[in-house]
Amino acid sequence: AQSVTQLDSHVSVSEGTPVLLRCNYSSSYSPSLFWYVQHPNKGLQLLLKYTSAATLVKGINGFEAEFKKSETSFHLTKPSAHMSDAAEYFCVVSSNAGKSTFGDGTTLTVKP
Amino acid sequence: GAGVSQSPSNKVTEKGKDVELRCDPISGHTALYWYRQSLGQGLEFLIYFQGNSAPDKSGLPSDRFSAERTGGSVSTLTIQRTQQEDSAVYLCASSLYVGSGANVLTFGAGSRLTVL
Repeated sequence: AQSVTQLDSHVSVSEGTPVLLRCNYSSSYSPSLFWYVQHPNKGLQLLLKYTSAATLVKGINGFEAEFKKSETSFHLTKPSAHMSDAAEYFCVVSSNAGKSTFGDGTTLTVKP
Repeated sequence: GAGVSQSPSNKVTEKGKDVELRCDPISGHTALYWYRQSLGQGLEFLIYFQGNSAPDKSGLPSDRFSAERTGGSVSTLTIQRTQQEDSAVYLCASSLYVGSGANVLTFGAGSRLTVL
């Protein structure tokens, strides 16, 4: 069994300030973890993925995430938010069984 | 094709009618997935295919929902006797194959279904 909890349904930051989107997971297996982004009226796009290599994963657009097994967390961060980062972000856990489980999503708002 | 293609992009139907949603995955991708996204909510897993077989149908909401895949390529999701609660965006994704680490999903733009 696997599950994902995104701890914040909405996050609002000012442009130029750091972004933190929190994700906790549960999995019976060594999981693969992903972050996807969905811009308004656009499809889902992969931001980054963790697959048991380096625990600090760098993705597109300056985002990164750190896998912490002891805390079962995979939080997404960015040092400085841009207006274009405003979107819905999904944390995803995947097992060898093929099923990817999505969190409920976090809406990121960036204020000028 | 270059990306995952879904059709129709928008479908409005009357309660009780049947609908078919089509997904054309990336060429060479053996795994295909269907998800449903209701307004303001996350993605709900429906079913996935490895080749033409569906090892996990646990996400299908009811027996009104069915899916098939032929030739290891195109998939069709069929909803019979549609209900208003079926209104959602139906997303299709494909990946090279099923397996941890390889499950990078490439999504289509979705089919928005509205049941009146």
